[in-house]
Amino acid sequence: AQKVTQAQTEISVVEKEDVTLDCVYETRDTTYYLFWYKQPPSGELVFLIRRNSFDEQNEISGRYSWNFQKSTSSFNFTITASQVVDSAVYFCALSVLYNQGGKLIFGQGTELSVKP
Amino acid sequence: EPEVTQTPSHQVTQMGQEVILRCVPISNHLYFYWYRQILGQKVEFLVSFYNNEISEKSEIFDDQFSVERPDGSNFTLKIRSTKLEDSAMYFCASSQPDREGANVLTFGAGSRLTVL
Repeated sequence: AQKVTQAQTEISVVEKEDVTLDCVYETRDTTYYLFWYKQPPSGELVFLIRRNSFDEQNEISGRYSWNFQKSTSSFNFTITASQVVDSAVYFCALSVLYNQGGKLIFGQGTELSVKP
Repeated sequence: EPEVTQTPSHQVTQMGQEVILRCVPISNHLYFYWYRQILGQKVEFLVSFYNNEISEKSEIFDDQFSVERPDGSNFTLKIRSTKLEDSAMYFCASSQPDREGANVLTFGAGSRLTVL
């Protein structure tokens, strides 16, 4: 069975602080994909990143960076110099490729609050 | 940018009534999904749909639920005889295959269902 755990339910930081959102996953499959989605207060789910299980390179996109470590089954997300607009719920998700339309299994989400 | 559109944005219904939630996926996408999110909880997979049939469904997706692609553009979720616990945000998503193999799902803005 597959599972995603985001142990941090809520995080509150002050603007310009760095913040890391943790994600731990479980799967017995050797081929899988990890995702992060952002859910701002308006409610929609916005795709941020996809990473496959064979690519452990860290990725940086502007103020966002992701650290994928298979040894600890973790796919953590760091926001550098946080801004108020980063306030949202962030979901980590796992997809196992049984077929190309593989479903996403979401973690519980971490609610990030960035205060001015 | 192409988007998934959902209607209605909010529906209030009496317990026992039937509800149809509608979605227009991105036009060249081949895979369609419904997810739900009970207030404050994680996003849960309901069903995936490909080639005019259900490809996978969760335990939540029981006989009360059905999906249909009645024409070339719409994708609907029908809930028969709604229950109080069906109150949630329902997200439609669509995706298409790419070189990576695991599809990136594009979500709609959601339809909030309130069952009284």
